[in-house]
Amino acid sequence: KNQVEQSPQSLIILEGKNCTLQCNYTVSPFSNLRWYKQDTGRGPVSLTIMTFSENTKSNGRYTATLDADTKQSSLHITASQLSDSASYICVVSAASGTYKYIFGTGTRLKVLA
Amino acid sequence: EPEVTQTPSHQVTQMGQEVILRCVPISNHLYFYWYRQILGQKVEFLVSFYNNEISEKSEIFDDQFSVERPDGSNFTLKIRSTKLEDSAMYFCASRGLVEYEQFFGPGTRLTVL
Repeated sequence: KNQVEQSPQSLIILEGKNCTLQCNYTVSPFSNLRWYKQDTGRGPVSLTIMTFSENTKSNGRYTATLDADTKQSSLHITASQLSDSASYICVVSAASGTYKYIFGTGTRLKVLA
Repeated sequence: EPEVTQTPSHQVTQMGQEVILRCVPISNHLYFYWYRQILGQKVEFLVSFYNNEISEKSEIFDDQFSVERPDGSNFTLKIRSTKLEDSAMYFCASRGLVEYEQFFGPGTRLTVL
């Protein structure tokens, strides 16, 4: 069964600190993996996308890694800001059918001043 | 920058009533999707639509649900007889022919009383 699991479920950090979020997936065949940021009550917004051959991708203070062998990904946030408080969702697209997205459970990040 | 729009932003309805959620995808996109997110849970795939027909649907998308592209710009999700458990955020997404990224709308919050 195609699944995407994330950890931790929630995380509280102080402004300026770094953090790393984890994602494990069992989606097959694999097409690509994305990290999304979702503010409460809003639609998800894409942060990074990685295909099978990529193992790291950066977007400003966000750096995602992908290990296709172990089917794991991480999202590292550096120098966190209050505006980083949101849910971060790992989304895997299967390379079949209509490339529907399979969403992870999300990590709720809270950044405190 | 083109974006996916959804209306209404919030819909309140009585159990058993029919509701229609509306989406205007990005104009040159060809693949359309509906997802839902029950409060506190992960986003779940409902249905994908291409070339005026359903291309894939999940087990959630039962006979109470239908989708339509009535006029070449709107993409609608109809729930025939709403149940309490249909209360959720409903997200529409669209993507182009070549790239696989789906762009999400802001969502419609459906509350069934």
